Amino acid sequence: RKEVEQDPGPFNVPEGATVAFNCTYSNSASQSFFWYRQDCRKEPKLLMSVYSSGNEDGRFTAQLNRASQYISLLIRDSKLSDSATYLCVVIPRGAGNMLTFGGGTRLMVKP
Amino acid sequence: EPEVTQTPSHQVTQMGQEVILRCVPISNHLYFYWYRQILGQKVEFLVSFYNNEISEKSEIFDDQFSVERPDGSNFTLKIRSTKLEDSAMYFCASSEGTTDEQYFGPGTRLTVT
Repeated sequence: RKEVEQDPGPFNVPEGATVAFNCTYSNSASQSFFWYRQDCRKEPKLLMSVYSSGNEDGRFTAQLNRASQYISLLIRDSKLSDSATYLCVVIPRGAGNMLTFGGGTRLMVKP
Repeated sequence: EPEVTQTPSHQVTQMGQEVILRCVPISNHLYFYWYRQILGQKVEFLVSFYNNEISEKSEIFDDQFSVERPDGSNFTLKIRSTKLEDSAMYFCASSEGTTDEQYFGPGTRLTVT
């Protein structure tokens, strides 16, 4: 079983739509969770950390469900500039600060 | 806004040659990392470095790889004898240490011919 699994997509949505991505992780003792975005052939950029209580940053909301071992990202009012690959990232317990990446979910926002 | 920088942006080398990839982490950060991403694949951890020594390394980081912090600002990754399968984007990252958040540099594209 992959450590971090994501639906690769692509998710094709119109501007203004709400879109949600899920991610599952296999290590139940994982301790830290993040969403990064990656544009084509660029570096991963930290979008937000994911906290147990859930957190929101503008149009972006992240949720963590430890019991079911999944993380979600909701994007409201999608913009063309949101088109990118969204990477679910986990730090398993005992792995120091080693980030474990999912394969990413590709989002394409169309006019 | 402070950022991680990397040089060169693109390196082409012949199989068997040594390469050194350079990174300047964010200045007040204490933890440094190298990751790689083979084209079309996911980002993979190579090594983490703290207090002038390796703190974690993956199976990919074998004896062909080494890291060094030669001065107060640079952090380098050396590949001693490159193989075709070393062709990838190599990302440097750094973190402050008070949180787990890591910030990535723009990457060096390594092409081994």
